[in-house]
Amino acid sequence: AQSVTQLGSHVSVSEGALVLLRCNYSSSVPPYLFWYVQYPNQGLQLLLKYTSAATLVKGINGFEAEFKKSETSFHLTKPSAHMRDAAEYFCAVSNTGTASKLTFGTGTRLQVTL
Amino acid sequence: EPEVTQTPSHQVTQMGQEVILRCVPISNHLYFYWYRQILGQKVEFLVSFYNNEISEKSEIFDDQFSVERPDGSNFTLKIRSTKLEDSAMYFCASSGTHSNQPQHFGDGTRLSIL
Repeated sequence: AQSVTQLGSHVSVSEGALVLLRCNYSSSVPPYLFWYVQYPNQGLQLLLKYTSAATLVKGINGFEAEFKKSETSFHLTKPSAHMRDAAEYFCAVSNTGTASKLTFGTGTRLQVTL
Repeated sequence: EPEVTQTPSHQVTQMGQEVILRCVPISNHLYFYWYRQILGQKVEFLVSFYNNEISEKSEIFDDQFSVERPDGSNFTLKIRSTKLEDSAMYFCASSGTHSNQPQHFGDGTRLSIL
């Protein structure tokens, strides 16, 4: 069974500050890991994915995440927050099987203040 | 960029009625999924579909639910006799020619059961 834990349901940062959204996973097989972003009244947009290649993954909008097997973590970071980054962020895990389902975390709402 | 499209954006239905949610996946994708998100909760997997059959389904996906790919473009989710607890946002997703390719989500259908 797989699971994802996202620490912090709400994170608030100032514009220009570092963004750090935490994700820890549990998986009995080598996982694939994903970060999705959800803007209000929209669907889920893929930010980045880890599929057993480079452990530091760069995504869209300046976000990146590092896979750390020893810590079972896949934290999302961005050096400098922008107002447009305000959204809900979901970490998800899947295994490598055919048409593998995604198991999502509970999400972290990022607020960016002036 | 190709998109997953879902219709309608909002569906209001009386309890006990049948409802069909429609999705048009990205045209060359082979794997199809339905997820739901009850208000304030995390995104939950319902079902995956490949090669005209269900690959995997969750405990939520009971006999009241069914999926179909009636033609080469549409992918539908039917709820036979809706219950109040079926009120949620339903997301369709599709992924490409390999099972480890990321899933692309539509903007969702908000289903409200009265």
